[in-house]
Amino acid sequence: AQKVTQAQTEISVVEKEDVTLDCVYETRDTTYYLFWYKQPPSGELVFLIRRNSFDEQNEISGRYSWNFQKSTSSFNFTITASQVVDSAVYFCALSGPGTGANSKLTFGKGITLSVRP
Amino acid sequence: DTGVSQDPRHKITKRGQNVTFRCDPISEHNRLYWYRQTLGQGPEFLTYFQNEAQLEKSRLLSDRFSAERPKGSFSTLEIQRTEQGDSAMYLCASRAGGTLAYEQYFGPGTRLTVT
Repeated sequence: AQKVTQAQTEISVVEKEDVTLDCVYETRDTTYYLFWYKQPPSGELVFLIRRNSFDEQNEISGRYSWNFQKSTSSFNFTITASQVVDSAVYFCALSGPGTGANSKLTFGKGITLSVRP
Repeated sequence: DTGVSQDPRHKITKRGQNVTFRCDPISEHNRLYWYRQTLGQGPEFLTYFQNEAQLEKSRLLSDRFSAERPKGSFSTLEIQRTEQGDSAMYLCASRAGGTLAYEQYFGPGTRLTVT
């Protein structure tokens, strides 16, 4: 069975602070995929990034960066110089290998990020 | 390139009534997923279609729930004899086929309230 744990439930920061959102996962698959989604107050889930289990390179996209460590089964997300528009619920998700039914996403419970001006 | 659309966006119904939701995936996406999200939780998988074939159903999908995807295009999710516990956001997602496209793109959801 797959499991995603986002231990932080709510984080509040002041604008321009850096913030890291933690994600720990469990899976028996040797090939799997990890994702981060953003859910702003409007409700629509927005895809941010996908990481393959066989690619442990960290990734940076503008103010966003992701740290994937298989040794600790973690896929953490850092926002640098946070902005009010970053306020949202952030979900980490996991899917199995292949393109069939095991491609379904297993989500964590989400982290509510509030960025205060 | 239009995204995933869902209709209606909101539905209020009385307990015991039947409701049907529609999802239009991104064109040419042959994989379609339904999820349910309750307050304070992450989305939970309900069912999966590859083209018109329903390949997996979660145990969350009781016999009151049925989903279809005729002709492999849009999909419908029907809930019969609704219960208050069915109140949730119902999300649809689609993704392209092939081995290089694993991202699922979500629609805005249908928020169901059962009174």
